[in-house]
Amino acid sequence: QKEVEQNSGPLSVPEGAIASLNCTYSDRGSQSFFWYRQYSGKSPELIMFIYSNGDKEDGRFTAQLNKASQYVSLLIRDSQPSDSATYLCAVFSFRNQGGKLIFGQGTELSVKP
Amino acid sequence: GAVVSQHPSWVICKSGTSVKIECRSLDFQATTMFWYRQFPKQSLMLMATSNEGSKATYEQGVEKDKFLINHASLTLSTLTVTSAHPEDSSFYICSARIASGTQETQYFGPGTRLLVL
Repeated sequence: QKEVEQNSGPLSVPEGAIASLNCTYSDRGSQSFFWYRQYSGKSPELIMFIYSNGDKEDGRFTAQLNKASQYVSLLIRDSQPSDSATYLCAVFSFRNQGGKLIFGQGTELSVKP
Repeated sequence: GAVVSQHPSWVICKSGTSVKIECRSLDFQATTMFWYRQFPKQSLMLMATSNEGSKATYEQGVEKDKFLINHASLTLSTLTVTSAHPEDSSFYICSARIASGTQETQYFGPGTRLLVL
């Protein structure tokens, strides 16, 4: 089992729809959870982080965390073509070597005009 | 968010030469930085963890003598690809950690694209 798993996609949604990106993780001791967006040819950009169970909203983005289910998701409301990118889920755990981020393989999102 | 810079943004070199890439945290001090490599259409691969004032910790399979990492100050880490070969051509990305208690955030630099001819 991979430490952080995401569907690779591509996930295709029409413009204006809600895009739902999902991520599961294996280490129950994980403490911090991040969503990065990576455009083709660019480096990852942090868009959301969440530490506590529940929802966290920032503009059109909502991160949801359920530690009991070891599940974190990202919702993008009113999706725009400019949201088309690969979204990386990352989980921080102290388990390894003083702590490091473990990345999922990323979900490719395509928003169709 | 915090700003991390990398220099150069791209480099082309001949096989056998060494290439140095700099990673700087511009508006904060980073005791820990990370170096990643990413091949086209593939996910990020962590190469090593760079700790200020101490030796880097390399991931399994990464040659420490080939990828030299120096973290001489709280705002600068360097990665030197020694005797580069075409298979080292990749997108190298650094990130810097900001920690507060048990919570942390990691910000990425813009990346350095290396092409070895």
